[in-house]
Amino acid sequence: GDSVTQMEGPVTLSEEAFLTINCTYTATGYPSLFWYVQYPGEGLQLLLKATKADDKGSNKGFEATYRKETTSFHLEKGSVQVSDSAVYFCALSDSNQFYFGTGTSLTVIP
Amino acid sequence: DTGVSQDPRHKITKRGQNVTFRCDPISEHNRLYWYRQTLGQGPEFLTYFQNEAQLEKSRLLSDRFSAERPKGSFSTLEIQRTEQGDSAMYLCASSFIGGPYEQYFGPGTRLTVT
Repeated sequence: GDSVTQMEGPVTLSEEAFLTINCTYTATGYPSLFWYVQYPGEGLQLLLKATKADDKGSNKGFEATYRKETTSFHLEKGSVQVSDSAVYFCALSDSNQFYFGTGTSLTVIP
Repeated sequence: DTGVSQDPRHKITKRGQNVTFRCDPISEHNRLYWYRQTLGQGPEFLTYFQNEAQLEKSRLLSDRFSAERPKGSFSTLEIQRTEQGDSAMYLCASSFIGGPYEQYFGPGTRLTVT
């Protein structure tokens, strides 16, 4: 079945460092891919999405490119801020269900 | 606020009791999903509705769990005879039918079974 494998955390970075969180997927069809973010004490928020191969999703300085050849959707940000501290979830959708990774906790220190 | 809302936000109950949670989706959305999230894990799919029809249920949803969405608006999730293993965050999300299917989540209901 469909699944998502996400880089394990926790990840601790200094402010302004470069961020990469790896995500790979297994799917039988052509899923849409998403990154969600969960701030402490809050629900999941959609961060960005990509619906087909080679699409790049971007939002708030974060980017991820849908790579069909490597079945990956890695999240990147060039310069993280303390306010980016949260748990990040990679997810895929086959139009009926969502499959989430286990989440990667990011802490950014000043 | 026109986002997804859930009630209550927290529920503490004794083992064996029944609990019911409510979710109000974004009003234009016709799909509604329930998930369970335990500490350090991603959300696990439980069930989803398209309008008032319950279209799919996970095998995680034992016969102690039941969900309804009367009239295709709000939804309720009931857990009967709660067990300590039911302690988790229960998340509700809604979306439109039609791509790219992004889901919008509520804040969740945290259930603690003592």
